[in-house]
Amino acid sequence: AAGVIQSPRHLIKEKRETATLKCYPIPRHDTVYWYQQGPGQDPQFLISFYEKMQSDKGSIPDRFSAQQFSDYHSELNMSSLELGDSALYFCASSRGSNEQFFGPGTRLTVL
Amino acid sequence: QKEVEQDPGPLSVPEGAIVSLNCTYSNSAFQYFMWYRQYSRKGPELLMYTYSSGNKEDGRFTAQVDKSSKYISLFIRDSQPSDSATYLCAMRGNTGKLIFGQGTTLQVKP
Repeated sequence: AAGVIQSPRHLIKEKRETATLKCYPIPRHDTVYWYQQGPGQDPQFLISFYEKMQSDKGSIPDRFSAQQFSDYHSELNMSSLELGDSALYFCASSRGSNEQFFGPGTRLTVL
Repeated sequence: QKEVEQDPGPLSVPEGAIVSLNCTYSNSAFQYFMWYRQYSRKGPELLMYTYSSGNKEDGRFTAQVDKSSKYISLFIRDSQPSDSATYLCAMRGNTGKLIFGQGTTLQVKP
């Protein structure tokens, strides 16, 4: 079965640079969620989109923005990167508010 | 205090043992309860999804929810070395935002 696709899988950036993470949901899933997982931490909700509209917002820094496109894929844009942004970033998708299925994650390292 | 509390372990058991993992929560608005399994540096994998008090069984896994006590459990029967991973409980209310426990690291020794 098709799963959530995330790209890139690994990303290394310098402080103050920008990064763009992409998420392709499971076919026919209309809702996308972004989570951040620091080392040894549980995933923390950042933001979600339903039918291309922002549906909920969590502890997402103002330096981050995201959107969902007409084909339902989503992008997380991160600017003025800080060392503390180094983490695993997961995208999850669902059909409506049903079960959420997670992608493999993007490991971001900020040097 | 976190909304969802989970003993981080680590928990070490011999192969074939029954494993019990637990979470407590404080928010009465939580209505949907999940268990995810996460291998090191991988994405969380959904194991169980429940929304009512009681038990739900799927193969070697049984999820138990007690809303009156704000307590959920995951039981793993006949545990295998391949079950060695971190187990995360997660829950949500009417919004899609998942609130996770800290995760319990499980090691099943052959």
